[in-house]
Amino acid sequence: SYVLTQPPSVSVAPGKTARMTCGGNNIGSKSVHWYQQKAGQAPALVIYYDSDRPSGIPERFSGSNSGNTATLTISRVEAGDEADYYCQVWDSSSDHPGAVFGGGTKLTVL
Amino acid sequence: QPELQESGPGLVKPSETLSLTCTVSGGSISSSSYYWGWIRQPPGKGLEWVGRIYYSGAPYYSPSLKSRVTISVDPSKNQFSLNLSSVTAADTAVYYCVSGIAVAGTHWFDSWGQGTLVTVSS
Repeated sequence: SYVLTQPPSVSVAPGKTARMTCGGNNIGSKSVHWYQQKAGQAPALVIYYDSDRPSGIPERFSGSNSGNTATLTISRVEAGDEADYYCQVWDSSSDHPGAVFGGGTKLTVL
Repeated sequence: QPELQESGPGLVKPSETLSLTCTVSGGSISSSSYYWGWIRQPPGKGLEWVGRIYYSGAPYYSPSLKSRVTISVDPSKNQFSLNLSSVTAADTAVYYCVSGIAVAGTHWFDSWGQGTLVTVSS
């Protein structure tokens, strides 16, 4: 089955740029979606289709995907961005298509 | 964008069946725009996809759970349900019901319920 790899943690100072990666074999050929999960809350979609933002998500959130790595970038990081972030793809390459999640990255705002 | 709310027992005994229901508001479960599914998260761990179903069409289940899971739709109540049989402590998790969108060979989850913690213990 398809595997997505995320670094366990990323730290960034307020006002700086945070970049969180999601690695997978030829992930650039798939569409990647990103979710933010704040402490004690359900996850929420922040990026879909590699780089599209749902309504209500600030322009500070952006995504890219190429080769073996997808990246979620948060510009001008705020304290409220502190959360776990998960990447997700739909794996249709096997006999049992389904959603695959990365292990998640905890973003700490220093 | 529909709103979702899970309901069901918070405690299930080992070897029994876990049953949860998700009530959909602000949209019809019969809509062709969305599919409906379940995702779970063991305490302190990451997200695991359980399965999904369209109003009309065959369900898709996680290969690791396929032999034990059933997802069904009840249009008369605008609800969908999850049954997971022969549960063990490893099935202890927060269970989220979700609505999803499928476009051009990919799927994402645009709306989530608040989640319900199910503990498997005697």
